[in-house]
Amino acid sequence: QITLKESGPTLVKPTQTLTLTCTFSGFSVDTSGVGVGWIRQPPGKALEWLALIFWDGDKRYSPSLKSRLTITKDTSKNQVVLTMTNMDPVDTATYYCAHSTRLPQCSGGKCYYFDYWGQGTLVTVSS
Amino acid sequence: QSVLTQPPSASGAPGQRVTISCSGSSSNIGSNTVNWYQQLPGTAPKLLIYSDNQRPSGVPDRFSGSKSGTSASLAIIGLRSEDEADYYCAAWHESLKNWVFGGGTKLTVL
Repeated sequence: QITLKESGPTLVKPTQTLTLTCTFSGFSVDTSGVGVGWIRQPPGKALEWLALIFWDGDKRYSPSLKSRLTITKDTSKNQVVLTMTNMDPVDTATYYCAHSTRLPQCSGGKCYYFDYWGQGTLVTVSS
Repeated sequence: QSVLTQPPSASGAPGQRVTISCSGSSSNIGSNTVNWYQQLPGTAPKLLIYSDNQRPSGVPDRFSGSKSGTSASLAIIGLRSEDEADYYCAAWHESLKNWVFGGGTKLTVL
C-alpha cells in the first residue's frame, strides 16, 4: 500500500525559504520507473505542478519557478524534500506530494503520471 | 489562465451521463497522453484516468476517457451524488517541458 504525507511549516514570512518533506511508504524512490513530485493548489484555484525527482536522480522543475526550487531525495529515510526560496503571499497554497509511475514502453519525463497523492499541507505566506 | 481549457462547471441529474472536455494544443494533448483527476471537497486529488483512457484499479467503469486530436473528454455515466467534485485534466507540455493542468470543472449532481 502506497502512502505519502507532507510535513513542514504552516506559516512562513515573505522572503523566507520554505522546506517541505514528503515521507512515504510502500515503495522505494530508487525503483526503476518511479518518481515523486510536488504539486500545489492555491485556495479555490487550479493545480500547478512544481517539481519531480526520478528514480535515477534526474530532476524536472516548473520553468516558471525553476530558479526558486530544489528537490532532493533521501532513500534511506523514504523522503523527498522540496525547498522554495523567496516566498511571497502568492505562494500561499496547499502543497501536495505525489508518487509517479512511468507508462510501459515509454521513456522520458512525459511518460510519468501521478497516481498516489498525499493529503496535502496548507502553507500560508504572511508577515 | 490554464494551458488546458476546461469548462468551469458541469451538471447532471442522478443516473444521467455527463461529459467534461479538455482542450489543448499540439504541444500537449496532441502529442502526449492525458490524465484525469477527481478532487472531492476538502480532499486531495485522486487519479481517475491515465494514458487517455486507462482506469486504475478500483475506479468504477462508469468513468471513461477519450481523446481526439488536441482535445480530450471525461465521461461519467449513471451519475451519482458522490460524483460531485472538481475534475482536472493534465498532460505533459513538450515545449514548456512542464506538466500542465486544466483549470478544473466543478461537477454538480442536481
